[in-house]
Amino acid sequence: GAGVSQSPSNKVTEKGKDVELRCDPISGHTALYWYRQSLGQGLEFLIYFQGNSAPDKSGLPSDRFSAERTGGSVSTLTIQRTQQEDSAVYLCASSLGGRAGNTIYFGEGSWLTVV
Amino acid sequence: AQSVTQLGSHVSVSEGALVLLRCNYSSSVPPYLFWYVQYPNQGLQLLLKYTSAATLVKGINGFEAEFKKSETSFHLTKPSAHMSDAAEYFCAVSDAGGTSYGKLTFGQGTILTVHP
Repeated sequence: GAGVSQSPSNKVTEKGKDVELRCDPISGHTALYWYRQSLGQGLEFLIYFQGNSAPDKSGLPSDRFSAERTGGSVSTLTIQRTQQEDSAVYLCASSLGGRAGNTIYFGEGSWLTVV
Repeated sequence: AQSVTQLGSHVSVSEGALVLLRCNYSSSVPPYLFWYVQYPNQGLQLLLKYTSAATLVKGINGFEAEFKKSETSFHLTKPSAHMSDAAEYFCAVSDAGGTSYGKLTFGQGTILTVHP
């Protein structure tokens, strides 16, 4: 597609359930990022992929959070045993190569509400 | 470690007035700097970026920003506000080092309101 595509756009889940959020980056972009946006914390970096490898996972808040990327393209962010504090917008972004200064393009986000 | 401070969580201007959104950064290495805009229920869109070329950077929608190393600032301006400029604006910084991969650290955001 023309831009970064994320699904679902909205997800309401019960506390304790697992959720999967999907990101389809811009075709040809080797670098992929996940960010979280919440009222209290602003925009937080979660994880960076270069190809299928994740050299920086430093922003994942707990071991309930994991992410993978396959085929150098689609990425899935999984949150296990969701908690109310996980409610946020999860933004995926991609860039052409993981070089500083490359423009990073963002998707519209997946809005997660944990009830 | 890098950080970004955006002065003023809310800025209100009249249509046609100057827009000035402030951003100061802290970085131990030469930074790259970015301004993103977020319209309601949408993702982030890049307005402009500084990557060590000209210190005055022009972006989309009539916005520009000037990198001032001595003041560690990268303020965003637009001479004349339009109603469609109402949105939230984020300043971000990344390392410019050769081994950096461009991870962005964001400020807290500034909500711009434009009054008729």
